[in-house]
Amino acid sequence: DADVTQTPRNRITKTGKRIMLECSQTKGHDRMYWYRQDPGLGLRLIYYSFDVKDINKGEISDGYSVSRQAQAKFSLSLESAIPNQTALYFCATSEATGTDTQYFGPGTRLTVL
Amino acid sequence: QQQVKQSPQSLIVQKGGISIINCAYENTAFDYFPWYQQFPGKGPALLIAIRPDVSEKKEGRFTISFNKSAKQFSLHIMDSQPGDSATYFCAASSRGGSNYKLTFGKGTLLTVNP
Repeated sequence: DADVTQTPRNRITKTGKRIMLECSQTKGHDRMYWYRQDPGLGLRLIYYSFDVKDINKGEISDGYSVSRQAQAKFSLSLESAIPNQTALYFCATSEATGTDTQYFGPGTRLTVL
Repeated sequence: QQQVKQSPQSLIVQKGGISIINCAYENTAFDYFPWYQQFPGKGPALLIAIRPDVSEKKEGRFTISFNKSAKQFSLHIMDSQPGDSATYFCAASSRGGSNYKLTFGKGTLLTVNP
């Protein structure tokens, strides 16, 4: 089984709809991240959480919100989706100490019509 | 403000050739420089990483060269293979304080022709 899973893997929605992307991990890591990937723009950090009680904005948090329901679960919400939020979204995890390696999920392809 | 600049945006190499991807950074507090590899339909995965106390790190066919004074680092793929075709991201982070996160370059799409 994959260590970092994301659901759904693909989603098509309409402008104005609320949508939630979910991330679960079995690696036991404290730190979790949400990134957005757009062609030519690389990976941009949306939100990150260093433990269940810690939530921090990344470089492009406007229009997004997150919830850290447990150590293993970190959800990303689009309260009112807009077309320019069409992108590939990745969740990642890392240990709090030691290696700095981030482990990425398989991604969610979101299309907002 | 783009803190990590990556070039080229795309690269085509013949099988057996050397692939070179370059990155430059601005923040002198960065002290960890990883490269991530992403295959189509997959999430990025750590390929190799370097800390500024060494100028080069080699793992198999993959080598990172690091130039602290120039604030540049590069990935060299020797004997490039079609299976190396992927998108490569450089990144940087700082361990300063209790809060650190990765800043990624925009990526390089590498195609290795057979």
